[in-house]
Amino acid sequence: QKEVEQNSGPLSVPEGAIASLNCTYSDRGSQSFFWYRQYSGKSPELIMFIYSNGDKEDGRFTAQLNKASQYVSLLIRDSQPSDSATYLCAVNGVGNAGKSTFGDGTTLTVKP
Amino acid sequence: ETGVTQTPRHLVMGMTNKKSLKCEQHLGHNAMYWYKQSAKKPLELMFVYNFKEQTENNSVPSRFSPECPNSSHLFLHLHTLQPEDSALYLCASSQEQGSLAKNIQYFGAGTRLSVL
Repeated sequence: QKEVEQNSGPLSVPEGAIASLNCTYSDRGSQSFFWYRQYSGKSPELIMFIYSNGDKEDGRFTAQLNKASQYVSLLIRDSQPSDSATYLCAVNGVGNAGKSTFGDGTTLTVKP
Repeated sequence: ETGVTQTPRHLVMGMTNKKSLKCEQHLGHNAMYWYKQSAKKPLELMFVYNFKEQTENNSVPSRFSPECPNSSHLFLHLHTLQPEDSALYLCASSQEQGSLAKNIQYFGAGTRLSVL
């Protein structure tokens, strides 16, 4: 089992729809969770981070964390073609503080 | 511009060459990271330095040799590489190595390495 698993994708949604990206992790002691966006040929950039159970909203983006079920998700409302990218989930645990384990990434395409 | 600068952006080298990748951060961070990103593979952590001390070596072959002379600079020295080492090498920095907000990482643009 991979430490961090993401939807294999690719995920395609129409413009204006909600895109839902999911991530599960194996280390129950994980404390912090990050979503990075990576455009083709570019480096990853942070979109959101979340530490506490529940939802965290930032503009069109909402991160959801459920530690009991060991999953974290990213919702993108009113998806735009400019949101087309690969989204990487990263998880930090107590045992490896500072070492982010990344998932394989989910490629999202938003069609006009 | 993330505040993390990597040079060169592209590098082509033969298997017998010796080259170095450079990373510099202007964010006042104390932790720096090297990652390898190959096609169709997830980001692979290679090395971590926290306050100039190496805290992580993720079973990286000795043909990759990191150097961190100060908290702002990180090098990756390359020698006798193999074609399978061709990849995008990313440098990142964070406030320090730790959990929660201290580990939000800022990435450089990467060096695209091709080994012939």
